[in-house]
Amino acid sequence: DSGVTQTPKHLITATGQRVTLRCSPRSGDLSVYWYQQSLDQGLQFLIQYYNGEERAKGNILERFSAQQFPDLHSELNLSSLELGDSALYFCASSAPGQRSTGELFFGEGSRLTVL
Amino acid sequence: AQSVTQLDSHVSVSEGTPVLLRCNYSSSYSPSLFWYVQHPNKGLQLLLKYTSAATLVKGINGFEAEFKKSETSFHLTKPSAHMSDAAEYFCVVSQGFSGGYNKLIFGAGTRLAVHP
Repeated sequence: DSGVTQTPKHLITATGQRVTLRCSPRSGDLSVYWYQQSLDQGLQFLIQYYNGEERAKGNILERFSAQQFPDLHSELNLSSLELGDSALYFCASSAPGQRSTGELFFGEGSRLTVL
Repeated sequence: AQSVTQLDSHVSVSEGTPVLLRCNYSSSYSPSLFWYVQHPNKGLQLLLKYTSAATLVKGINGFEAEFKKSETSFHLTKPSAHMSDAAEYFCVVSQGFSGGYNKLIFGAGTRLAVHP
């Protein structure tokens, strides 16, 4: 158990809909990362938050947004869903600054299926 | 710019035989390197990491990797494969941690199959 919790584990929805994925990082970790994993694109970095502030953006679509709350949990919002958004969405967290060796701790992912 | 290349998308071995998963990296300075494993329908788990200490790094479940600067390689090995090793393996290079941002570059992954 990595200590990172993601909900829901599975989600099935229709095109055009909006969903929210939730992530709770490990206790004490300030950084939260979101990744998308699909068969054709592999593992793609979406966005990272550090102590409530956005720190880096990757290949995140404009239809997607995220935030990190004061209690450090994070949510990834996916809207106007398309079939191609079907994927496994991972959240990861890492230890703060000086204590970090670059290691990320991953949750078990939220599998999104868009029909 | 940093990059990482996993040379094999699929590797198939028999149980009890050695495992070799190959990874080459490109980095303008001494990198931090990692191997992560992903079992089916699970999140990624750290196997081992190299952070400029010993060049031979031992990880969990009998895996180890050797950092070879001259060859820009960080291959993952295990002397004897077990059925439970069947999974996808990712080689990862870190661009460092600055301003609260830790940028990791993931390889495309190598799917390891282990046959009885």
